[in-house]
Amino acid sequence: GEDVEQSLFLSVREGDSSVINCTYTDSSSTYLYWYKQEPGAGLQLLTYIFSNMDMKQDQRLTVLLNKKDKHLSLRIADTQTGDSAIYFCAESRTGGFKTIFGAGTRLFVKA
Amino acid sequence: EPEVTQTPSHQVTQMGQEVILRCVPISNHLYFYWYRQILGQKVEFLVSFYNNEISEKSEIFDDQFSVERPDGSNFTLKIRSTKLEDSAMYFCARQDRDYGYTFGSGTRLTVV
Repeated sequence: GEDVEQSLFLSVREGDSSVINCTYTDSSSTYLYWYKQEPGAGLQLLTYIFSNMDMKQDQRLTVLLNKKDKHLSLRIADTQTGDSAIYFCAESRTGGFKTIFGAGTRLFVKA
Repeated sequence: EPEVTQTPSHQVTQMGQEVILRCVPISNHLYFYWYRQILGQKVEFLVSFYNNEISEKSEIFDDQFSVERPDGSNFTLKIRSTKLEDSAMYFCARQDRDYGYTFGSGTRLTVV
């Protein structure tokens, strides 16, 4: 079945770049996502990429997709303490299909 | 777009009791979902609801679970006879476009 795997923890210093990695198994994925969850809140869609793209940049966020290896990464430039949260990698097919999530990577940002 | 609001934020129930988790208000969207996350584990798909019917459900969503949209805006998840392993964070979500969800802040269910 479909699966999404990501490392559980990442610790970086404030101002450094963070890179969170993810692998997935579904070759029919159309959309790949990064969600952010802050304490006490629900998951918030941070960014997404279509499966026919290699890269997407949105301000401090860069998403890289290697479709051949089914590898997705999220790079946060100039990481701030406010970026401390859990980041979930996810994938889905077209609209209406369920989304498959990873277990989340907890990002710690040290001042 | 309005937020997705879930109530209660935390529910403690005894094993074997019925619980109803609510997702309010819901605007005029077609697709709704329930997910859950057991502490430290993956966010798991439970059920999707399209045009007032279940469109897909997971193996977790057995006969103890049901979903309803009783009045066109509220969206509920009922667990008939709770088990200890039902303890989790339950998230409601709506699909705003072809991709991506808007999630509620979740209901933490604790079964004792």
